[in-house]
Amino acid sequence: EAGVTQFPSHSVIEKGQTVTLRCDPISGHDNLYWYRRVMGKEIKFLLHFVKESKQDESGMPNNRFLAERTGGTYSTLKVQPAELEDSGVYFCASSHFSGYEQYFGPGTRLTVT
Amino acid sequence: QKEVEQNSGPLSVPEGAIASLNCTYSDRGSQSFFWYRQYSGKSPELIMSIYSNGDKEDGRFTAQLNKASQYVSLLIRDSQPSDSATYLCAVGGAQKLVFGQGTRLTINP
Repeated sequence: EAGVTQFPSHSVIEKGQTVTLRCDPISGHDNLYWYRRVMGKEIKFLLHFVKESKQDESGMPNNRFLAERTGGTYSTLKVQPAELEDSGVYFCASSHFSGYEQYFGPGTRLTVT
Repeated sequence: QKEVEQNSGPLSVPEGAIASLNCTYSDRGSQSFFWYRQYSGKSPELIMSIYSNGDKEDGRFTAQLNKASQYVSLLIRDSQPSDSATYLCAVGGAQKLVFGQGTRLTINP
């Protein structure tokens, strides 16, 4: 069974530019989560999809962040326009519909200069 | 006060000894508790989950949960150099996970 995959693994952009991160969850997992770890801090929750619906987006920092999940499969997280404080590692995780255990992808390291 | 607290370490343990990692949490409504292992530059890897008070054993790993004390721990028996990593405690309620900062563990040969 393939794990959670994320693309790209690393992105370097300038302040004010747009970046789109992609996550492909484990096949059959209805729950998809985005988390972020900024330098020196703990991993923090951003939002949660159940299939294509946003269940909880309480962790999204501001309206420069837009997450979508097309057809309940892969998800994208777009940052527009990027700011310096958006730098960090963005993780995606997925779980079964009724499961609590979340499986993480390798993350995308975003650097905003 | 942070929601999930861990000693950041580094914790240094000789090979073959028992490594003990601790975590406290503030939300009494928490229902699920997890330990993830993260090697440098890699994804967090789920190694233990525990949902009820007591001990849960899986190979060399034992997770312990005490909801009254809001405390969860991870014991690693017969520590190996390959166990050197950062261990993340995560606490779940309504689906989302709240993480501690992680404890960096080093096993010395």
